[in-house]
Amino acid sequence: DAGVIQSPRHEVTEMGQEVTLRCKPISGHNSLFWYRQTMMRGLELLIYFNNNVPIDDSGMPEDRFSAKMPNASFSTLKIQPSEPRDSAVYFCASSIGQGAPEAFFGQGTRLTVV
Amino acid sequence: RKEVEQDPGPFNVPEGATVAFNCTYSNSASQSFFWYRQDCRKEPKLLMSVYSSGNEDGRFTAQLNRASQYISLLIRDSKLSDSATYLCVVNKGDTSGTYKYIFGTGTRLKVLA
Repeated sequence: DAGVIQSPRHEVTEMGQEVTLRCKPISGHNSLFWYRQTMMRGLELLIYFNNNVPIDDSGMPEDRFSAKMPNASFSTLKIQPSEPRDSAVYFCASSIGQGAPEAFFGQGTRLTVV
Repeated sequence: RKEVEQDPGPFNVPEGATVAFNCTYSNSASQSFFWYRQDCRKEPKLLMSVYSSGNEDGRFTAQLNRASQYISLLIRDSKLSDSATYLCVVNKGDTSGTYKYIFGTGTRLKVLA
């Protein structure tokens, strides 16, 4: 079975450019989460969706960050304009959403902004 | 105060040793608890859930103390392959019925030959 699929795996971009990260959750999972991981701050929850609806975006660091989930099988995280301090690994995760189950992670997108 | 706190380590232990990690959480309404393992440059993966009565999976034992708001992970007979970062995860439901997973920053373990 396919797990959570993220693309691209690696992204190098120049400061000021727009970056779009993509995620396909596991089929049948109702909850989707975007995390950012850095050495200094660990795994930070940015935003999560339930049934395609954003539930809590309080972790989104700034207005430069936005996320959408147009349907149950696709989500995007966009950074515009990007800055060097956005360099991190961005993970997408999904879960069934009922009964406090485990979350399954994608392989992550390693973003470098130069 | 962070919602989930862990000692970052690193814990350097010899093969065969027993090692224990603790994690504290601040929200008494937290409902479920997990330990995840993360290898270098990989995604986090579930190691085990943590149940109120405590649970064991082979060499791994997890315990929960709700009164003191901490969870623990004990690894017996450490193997070289246990070297990884261990992430404590606390899960809390919200009014939408969605469960929000909050991760600690992780404890690094290095098992030495």
